[in-house]
Amino acid sequence: DIQMTQSPSSLSASVGDRLTITCRASQSIYSYLNWYQQKPGKAPELLIYTASTLQSGVPSRFSGSGSGTDFTLTISSLQPEDFATYYCQQSHSTPHTFGQGTRLEIK
Amino acid sequence: QVQLVQSGAEVKKPGASVKVSCKASGYTFTSYGFSWVRQAPGQGLEWMGRITVYNGNTHYGQKFQGRVTMTTDTSTRTAYMELRSLRSDDTAMYYCARDRGNYNWFDPWGQGTLVTVSS
Repeated sequence: DIQMTQSPSSLSASVGDRLTITCRASQSIYSYLNWYQQKPGKAPELLIYTASTLQSGVPSRFSGSGSGTDFTLTISSLQPEDFATYYCQQSHSTPHTFGQGTRLEIK
Repeated sequence: QVQLVQSGAEVKKPGASVKVSCKASGYTFTSYGFSWVRQAPGQGLEWMGRITVYNGNTHYGQKFQGRVTMTTDTSTRTAYMELRSLRSDDTAMYYCARDRGNYNWFDPWGQGTLVTVSS
């Protein structure tokens, strides 16, 4: 199975900050990497697919990059509604494993 | 709009089975598949398996092999996930999500079904 490792596991930030979350795969997954946002008590929602394509309706302050084994999710200017947990997920091969999540909290 | 609506919360005793449904609307049902993902309380997301609707092919995570069955009913546009021999550590929120298999992504997700296993 492909292991997905996110860092950091949690972080505190302020509105307006720029931040980056990283995701590393245990083997090459080319660009088959997706990012999801989950707010408390809600189902996850797709943010970015195939590493860098923004899902329709997602604000442009979100961006993704990377290929192979190393990927990043960047939020250019944090907004209050961005405080949530973020998960990466590989879709290169089954099982479609997720990272352990990054919890983003308000500083 | 594309929507997945799941069945309501369940409480089961250890050793029992649970069957969760996921009703789809707003798209061509047979053009996609479904993945099932669970989330234990306070924990991360765990992929359980998936089913391709048009041919019924399934792929289950090794952890769930022999205990899970995923099916679809094209007449009602509904996907089902049955988990047997329930244990307390199966207590979790269970989500369905639309997908197209490898090289694809999960969108949208159902609202989730809480399954509680308790004696």
